[in-house]
Amino acid sequence: DTEVTQTPKHLVMGMTNKKSLKCEQHMGHRAMYWYKQKAKKPPELMFVYSYEKLSINESVPSRFSPECPNSSLLNLHLHALQPEDSALYLCASSPHIHGELSNQPQHFGDGTRLSIL
Amino acid sequence: AQKITQTQPGMFVQEKEAVTLDCTYDTSDPSYGLFWYKQPSSGEMIFLIYQGSYDQQNATEGRYSLNFQKARKSANLVISASQLGDSAMYFCAMRESAAGGTSYGKLTFGQGTILTVHP
Repeated sequence: DTEVTQTPKHLVMGMTNKKSLKCEQHMGHRAMYWYKQKAKKPPELMFVYSYEKLSINESVPSRFSPECPNSSLLNLHLHALQPEDSALYLCASSPHIHGELSNQPQHFGDGTRLSIL
Repeated sequence: AQKITQTQPGMFVQEKEAVTLDCTYDTSDPSYGLFWYKQPSSGEMIFLIYQGSYDQQNATEGRYSLNFQKARKSANLVISASQLGDSAMYFCAMRESAAGGTSYGKLTFGQGTILTVHP
């Protein structure tokens, strides 16, 4: 069992739907991440949150909207997605992004497999 | 320019044999960390092993060891006594210094190597 929990595991949605992906960790980590991964490709970073504040947005389209309500939760709100957005969405967390702890590994969840019809 | 290069798209190994997965990297930062992750078909990214740029010794973690050659900028993963459950995609990743800049917190992944263990 992973220490980062993602729900749902699978999601099928139409291009006009609004849905949200959820991620939760209880390891006391203060950095949380969203990645997008296409089949047989490496994960691509989308967003980084540090202490509940958005630190990095990798030029992600506005149809993806992240939210970090508290230090344990990370959401990704989806609206008007395109078929090319179908992918595995991975959430990760790490203790910190600065200083000595910055080289601690990121812990990943199982991911949400998203299909856009 | 590619920062992490994994030149082996696929590797095959016999059960109980050892296998080496290659990884080379490119950075001008003196402080960086190198990570290996395993991703089974289920999708979860599992952390295997970490090597810091200032670490004097090669990292080891159970059946996993990292052959770190700093001058050659290589960080190959060695899996000893392969098991059927080792069949998966393996990613090498690098994190550069967190001191300033916008790259902090960011992992750069290689393209991955699919390892298949034969019985």
